[in-house]
Amino acid sequence: TQLLEQSPQFLSIQEGENLTVYCNSSSVFSSLQWYRQEPGEGPVLLVTVVTGGEVKKLKRLTFQFGDARKDSSLHITAAQPGDTGLYLCAGLYNQGGKLIFGQGTELSVKP
Amino acid sequence: GAGVSQSPSNKVTEKGKDVELRCDPISGHTALYWYRQSLGQGLEFLIYFQGNSAPDKSGLPSDRFSAERTGGSVSTLTIQRTQQEDSAVYLCASSLGTGGSPLHFGNGTRLTVT
Repeated sequence: TQLLEQSPQFLSIQEGENLTVYCNSSSVFSSLQWYRQEPGEGPVLLVTVVTGGEVKKLKRLTFQFGDARKDSSLHITAAQPGDTGLYLCAGLYNQGGKLIFGQGTELSVKP
Repeated sequence: GAGVSQSPSNKVTEKGKDVELRCDPISGHTALYWYRQSLGQGLEFLIYFQGNSAPDKSGLPSDRFSAERTGGSVSTLTIQRTQQEDSAVYLCASSLGTGGSPLHFGNGTRLTVT
């Protein structure tokens, strides 16, 4: 059974602070995706990473895929209240398989 | 519509009753997923349909749960003899089905079993 460990589970910070969310597995991912979910809605894709060592930036968000493709991180610079939400990583273990989600990180950014 | 549509958006049922949840995926998407989400938690995989292949049912928690996808489009998730622990948000998603394709989610059905 493939498991995705996501940490921390909860994060409450002040506006302007930086933060990092981690996603780890004992198995190698074919690719990994990060989603953001707001209350009452389904998750929305932020980014997909495929290549080991890959770094992608989306405004103040930086996503990194580990060299061995077993882990990933999401770093937010100068967090804003609009960043509040549930952040989910999701791993694909083979090209034709299902997407497995981590437990999520509930982020609260206070003004 | 352009997105994934789920119905009903809310369902309250009594313990022991059967329920059916519906998902209309994005037209042309060959892959369809069902996930379950408890309050503030991650997504628990239930079942995955890909084209004409046999579905991956490995996430269904018990034989009370079943799902079908008719004509490669609409899907129905059925829960028989509902229990209180079945209360959760049930999310459906569809994708183009190629490796790493993004999932497009509906807004979910919130199921409450009393």
